Amino acid sequence: RKEVEQDPGPFNVPEGATVAFNCTYSNSASQSFFWYRQDCRKEPKLLMSVYSSGNEDGRFTAQLNRASQYISLLIRDSKLSDSATYLCVVNFLLSGGYNKLIFGAGTRLAVHP
Amino acid sequence: EAGVAQSPRYKIIEKRQSVAFWCNPISGHATLYWYQQILGQGPKLLIQFQNNGVVDDSQLPKDRFSAERLKGVDSTLKIQPAKLEDSAVYLCASSLIHRQRGTDTQYFGPGTRLTVL
Repeated sequence: RKEVEQDPGPFNVPEGATVAFNCTYSNSASQSFFWYRQDCRKEPKLLMSVYSSGNEDGRFTAQLNRASQYISLLIRDSKLSDSATYLCVVNFLLSGGYNKLIFGAGTRLAVHP
Repeated sequence: EAGVAQSPRYKIIEKRQSVAFWCNPISGHATLYWYQQILGQGPKLLIQFQNNGVVDDSQLPKDRFSAERLKGVDSTLKIQPAKLEDSAVYLCASSLIHRQRGTDTQYFGPGTRLTVL
């Protein structure tokens, strides 16, 4: 079983649509969680952190369910510029106090006019 | 603030040849990471440095891959000899925070796209 699993998509949605991505992780000792965005042929960039209480940043809402080991990202009012791959990322604490990020394979989103 | 720099941006080699990639992290960032991203997959951590010491290299194929960060700043990743399955983007990242529980924002460089023929 992969440590971080995502639906690869692609999700093809019209502008203005609401779209949700899901992610599950296998290690219950995971410390913290993130969504990264990766544009085609570009490097990943941090989109937002994910907290147990849920958090919102403009049109983006992230949720974490530790009991189910499940993370979600909701995008409202999709824009053409939201087209990208969204990477679910889980942070493990290594011995010695260092952090290690485990990336999912990503979910592709294509927003069309 | 300058970002993470990597070179070269593209490299094409034949199998069994050697190749080296260079990374210059963001100034002041103690932690440096090398990732391999195969097409259609997420980045996979190869090696993590804290200053010039290795923190984690559990997924580095040590029979052919090596990396160093001699002065705790720049780093090089080498593949010798290369195989077809090494074709991927090699991403370098750095972070300021270390030895901390919780968040550890990593900033990625543009990557080196390697094609092995």
